[in-house]
Amino acid sequence: EAGVTQFPSHSVIEKGQTVTLRCDPISGHDNLYWYRRVMGKEIKFLLHFVKESKQDESGMPNNRFLAERTGGTYSTLKVQPAELEDSGVYFCASSPYRGLPYEQYFGPGTRLTVT
Amino acid sequence: QKEVEQNSGPLSVPEGAIASLNCTYSDRVSQSFFWYRQYSGKSPELIMSIYSNGDKEDGRFTAQLNKASQYVSLLIRDSQPSDSATYLCAVKWKDTGRRALTFGSGTRLQVQP
Repeated sequence: EAGVTQFPSHSVIEKGQTVTLRCDPISGHDNLYWYRRVMGKEIKFLLHFVKESKQDESGMPNNRFLAERTGGTYSTLKVQPAELEDSGVYFCASSPYRGLPYEQYFGPGTRLTVT
Repeated sequence: QKEVEQNSGPLSVPEGAIASLNCTYSDRVSQSFFWYRQYSGKSPELIMSIYSNGDKEDGRFTAQLNKASQYVSLLIRDSQPSDSATYLCAVKWKDTGRRALTFGSGTRLQVQP
């Protein structure tokens, strides 16, 4: 079974530009989460989808961040316009709806560098 | 004060020894606890979950939970150099409808051959 995949693995953009990150969850997982780790800090929650619906957006830092999950499959996270403080590693995770819904499986992350 | 606290380490143990990793959490209603292992530049890999007080064993790994004292620990028996990684503690709080995990900053483990 394929794990969570993320694209790109690394992105370098200039301040003010737009970047879109993509996450493909484990097949059949209804729950999809975005987290990020900025330099020297712990991993922090951004938001949670159940299928195509946003269940919890409490961790989104501001309105420059837009997450979508059209069709309840893959998800995108767009940062527009990017700021220097957005640099970090963005992780996606997924979990099944039933069984052990609280166990989350992480992807390899996208390292975002804003210059 | 952080909600989930871990000693950043590094914790250095000789090969074959028991590595003991600790995590404390704030006075907030908690539900479940997770240990992730992360190699440099790789994804956090779930290795243990624990929901109730006591010990849970899986191979060389044992998770211990003590809700009264607000700590959760991970023991690694017969430590191997391949166990060298950062170990992340994560907590799911018992907030209705929320599944967000709160992470500690991680403890770096070094197993010396």
